[in-house]
Formats: sequence, structure tokens, C-alpha cells
Amino acid sequence: DQQVKQNSPSLSVQEGRISILNCDYTNSMFDYFLWYKKYPAEGPTFLISISSIKDKNEDGRFTVFLNKSAKHLSLHIVPSQPGDSAVYFCAASKLGGTYKYIFGTGTRLKVLA
Amino acid sequence: NAGVTQTPKFRVLKTGQSMTLLCAQDMNHEYMYWYRQDPGMGLRLIHYSVGEGTTAKGEVPDGYNVSRLKKQNFLLGLESAAPSQTSVYFCASSQSPRGGLTDTQYFGPGTRLTVL
Repeated sequence: DQQVKQNSPSLSVQEGRISILNCDYTNSMFDYFLWYKKYPAEGPTFLISISSIKDKNEDGRFTVFLNKSAKHLSLHIVPSQPGDSAVYFCAASKLGGTYKYIFGTGTRLKVLA
Repeated sequence: NAGVTQTPKFRVLKTGQSMTLLCAQDMNHEYMYWYRQDPGMGLRLIHYSVGEGTTAKGEVPDGYNVSRLKKQNFLLGLESAAPSQTSVYFCASSQSPRGGLTDTQYFGPGTRLTVL
């Protein structure tokens, strides 16, 4: 039972264009969402998060959008750079829960120069 | 400030052998976690700890044991390794949650374990 799904295993984008990575979840109790970025042979690093009281959070070139009614979030990277090439994981958590994250399966982004 | 470190980085075991993976953090975090990452499966939580001396089961705890004798260390043990435990293992830590929001988890670089 995959509660957090990233249906696109890979994505290729031209440098300078927008990258859109998608994530769907099934558990309506999730109320905190995060995106992590992972380079090969390294651990995931935190990128951006959003609470369910918001529908958008922006940090530089990265914006996360949350659509609670659709149980869907997306990460926008504008403009995309070759250094953004990595695997991106979304994760979800329940407020007041046991501080556990449920991770998606990841999307491999390749930004072409 | 090294953050989260993991020892060893690589290990090859034979079926039935035992080993311990060590995770250390220098950020004074209360919460620590062990995950495994398998192709097409994302990161799955094995065990976690909400403070020194405490441990709890995650999604996939079978075949693993953990201990948190010191706040800065979280050990993951495999008593009798099986080929199904071939994976990349990540340790993470986080501060106590503030304001009701789950705090960010910081990850170590991973341990690649192969069980033959």
C-alpha cells in the first residue's frame, strides 16, 4: 500500500526551462510535506517543505504547490540548471503522529545543458 | 560539525553472518531513524528512536534490531543476514518538533550492504 506515489520515475528537461515533479498521496491525515534531493552516493538533503495550512511555498528557484482536495503536490524548479540533476523524493507526515515520514519512490531529474 | 555520519560505507556479508551499522550525529538531535532504500521502493523506515534509551518499529523492522544507548549514536544490527537485506541503509536525525510541526530530517551518506 503505497501511501505516497511519484508516478514518473524519470524526467528530462532542458537547461533554463521549468521542471515539474509530481507527487500524490492517499492518506488525508497527512498534513506536512517535504521534498528531498539526492545525489548518487550521498544521503538525501532537505529541499523545501509545506504545511497543509498553505497551498504554496517558495524558496528561490524552488516552489512547492499543495492541492489538498486532489491530494497532490508538485515541485517546480525555475530555471532548471544542470546541477539540479538528481533524484527527488517527496515525503509526507502526520501532525501529532510519531514524526515518521512516508517517502515516495523518487523521480530522477536530468537537466540537459 | 560533521552532521550525520555512518560506519561502514560498504560491506559484503555472507548469509547468516551478523553485523552492526553505526550512526552518529553531533547536532544534539533527539530523534534518530534507520531507513533502507531499494530500487523502485523509495526510502522505508526500519526503526526509529525518539530519545536516548528508546526505540520503536517502523515499516520494515523484521530481521533488524536497534539500540540507542547514547543520544548521539543509533546502532542497527543484523543478527543473521539474508540476501533480502541487500540494500543501501540511511541513518537520519532530527530535532524535537516545535510548534507541532515535524522537524526536518538530516541524513547520513549511506551504507551499501550486500548479502551473498
